[in-house]
Amino acid sequence: QKEVEQDPGPLSVPEGAIVSLNCTYSNSAFQYFMWYRQYSRKGPELLMYTYSSGNKEDGRFTAQVDKSSKYISLFIRDSQPSDSATYLCAMSANRGSTLGRLYFGRGTQLTVWP
Amino acid sequence: GAGVSQSPRYKVAKRGQDVALRCDPISGHVSLFWYQQALGQGPEFLTYFQNEAQLDKSGLPSDRFFAERPEGSVSTLKIQRTQQEDSAVYLCASSLDGQGNTGELFFGEGSRLTVL
Repeated sequence: QKEVEQDPGPLSVPEGAIVSLNCTYSNSAFQYFMWYRQYSRKGPELLMYTYSSGNKEDGRFTAQVDKSSKYISLFIRDSQPSDSATYLCAMSANRGSTLGRLYFGRGTQLTVWP
Repeated sequence: GAGVSQSPRYKVAKRGQDVALRCDPISGHVSLFWYQQALGQGPEFLTYFQNEAQLDKSGLPSDRFFAERPEGSVSTLKIQRTQQEDSAVYLCASSLDGQGNTGELFFGEGSRLTVL
């Protein structure tokens, strides 16, 4: 079993829909939780970052972390065709100099159609 | 440019050939990571450098994989005697500091390796 599980989709929604993306994990040492967006044939780019449990909002994006359930979510409001991409959850533990070592889910492919 | 630069973007190798993939991180970034991304999967950690020191190479899949960053900036990932299972996108990422950072990595566009 992988440390981070993510449904690969694909997920297809109409423009304006609310999108919910989720990941579960097994390692209770994870403290830092991120969502990356990856367009086709590009590198991942950081969308949202949260530390420990709680919510964080940035424009149309909201990230939620529930450490008790080992479950994280990303919500996209008023989705746009430009949001069409693969969304990767990632997490890391506080391990000193390798803090930046990330454990990724396999990504959820999202298509927003006009 | 200001981002992480990787070359070549695409590489086709015959099985058994050696390949070298180059990463030029963002100027001044202390930490450099290599990840491997197989088709339809998330990136998997390979190795980590803090300046020129390779502090973690636990993700390298075999002794055919070797990485270096001799002057603490440009890094090269070398794969010897390539096998078909090495076919993947190799992503390089850098971050400003390895101590106490938030895990914000800046990724390059990757080098797509196909082994025939």
